[in-house]
Parts: sequence; structure tokens; C-alpha cells
Amino acid sequence: DAMVIQNPRYQVTQFGKPVTLSCSQTLNHNVMYWYQQKSSQAPKLLFHYYDKDFNNEADTPDNFQSRRPNTSFCFLDIRSPGLGDAAMYLCATSLTSGGYNEQFFGPGTRLTVL
Amino acid sequence: GQNIDQPTEMTATEGAIVQINCTYQTSGFNGLFWYQQHAGEAPTFLSYNVLDGLEEKGRFSSFLSRSKGYSYLLLKELQMKDSASYLCAGMDSNYQLIWGAGTKLIIKP
Repeated sequence: DAMVIQNPRYQVTQFGKPVTLSCSQTLNHNVMYWYQQKSSQAPKLLFHYYDKDFNNEADTPDNFQSRRPNTSFCFLDIRSPGLGDAAMYLCATSLTSGGYNEQFFGPGTRLTVL
Repeated sequence: GQNIDQPTEMTATEGAIVQINCTYQTSGFNGLFWYQQHAGEAPTFLSYNVLDGLEEKGRFSSFLSRSKGYSYLLLKELQMKDSASYLCAGMDSNYQLIWGAGTKLIIKP
């Protein structure tokens, strides 16, 4: 089945220790998104790629970086995690970016910062 | 600014009908999405409206009024598995989704 896969599902890191979250897709979609979602809050878009074109949201902290080495994979790097970065990180894809394009979400990675 | 408003929590009874309302303000408008999100899981797509009116899909229907900046999700014949958060999201002129915080729906037997 075509899908969006995120690894790991649960990640524990220490304050200030870099961590990388990964996302892969078998849908061959052009667009990949990274969202941060805290409990009972709306998903917050961090950045997205249209193919290799990177789009950073204006309020995404510099502590968050992303890489998309190919169509299938996208990575979220948190350079120095703080306690406030504990959240669910959701990867999503869509075929294109316009109009009726539902986003397909991976299962998420729940990040705990100790 | 851009904003999505929806109730924080609603309670309904198994077998009943519930309507979850959403009002939106976006810079431009390219449609309104509803997603379902079970606790600890990722959102899954339910519906998309871009024209005024009602879209029916099985037990779920979604309505849009662009002039009022208003949408609702109607769930019929509620089942216990429908207990989840329901997220309303408006797509702006840049095709970015503006998300609401979700309505937590509690179903009681």
C-alpha cells in the first residue's frame, strides 16, 4: 500500500542534543510538509518542499532545519532541542500544492526532551 | 489575520447526530478541509468543500457558505469509534492550510 512512513514513532532526546526525524513516502507526491503539533493545538506548519524547492515558514525557529535528498525522503533536524520542542511531529505529502489536494499524513513522531 | 474558530469540545450520544461548526478567515480562499484525528494519531482526510452547499459522504456530510465564512461537519448515526478530534482547515490564496485547534468529540453510550 502506498503510504507515508515516519521513523521513529517515539523519540527521546536530551536537552540540547541534536536529533533527526525521518519521513519517507511511496506515493510519489511532489510536496512534503513538516508540522509540529502540541496537545490540543492546531498543527503548525514548519516548512514544506515542492520538489526540491524549500519553503520555510516565517516563524519557524532557526533551530529547525530540513533536508529532502530525493522525492521519497525528507528529514527534520532539530539542532538543539529545548523543552518547548517536545511535541508530535507530523510529516505529510500532497500530489501538488493547489486546490483540491488532500494531505496524507504519516503516523507522526512523538518527541520527548529530557 | 488568518483564523479558524471551532468549539473546543462537544459531547453526543451513540446513534445520534452532531454538527461541528467552523468559521474561517483566510487571505483568499481555495477550499475548506475537515480532518479526523484520533488521540495520538495523525489526521486523516474527511472532506473538502470549495463551492457553497452540502457534500455528503456516507454518515459524514460537510457544508460550506463562502459568504458567511462558515462550514460545518455533520456526523450521523454516531458510533463510539467516532470519538476523536475534528480539525477544520481553510486553504488560503497561497494554497497553505490554516488549521483550527480541533473539536474534541466525546461519544457516550
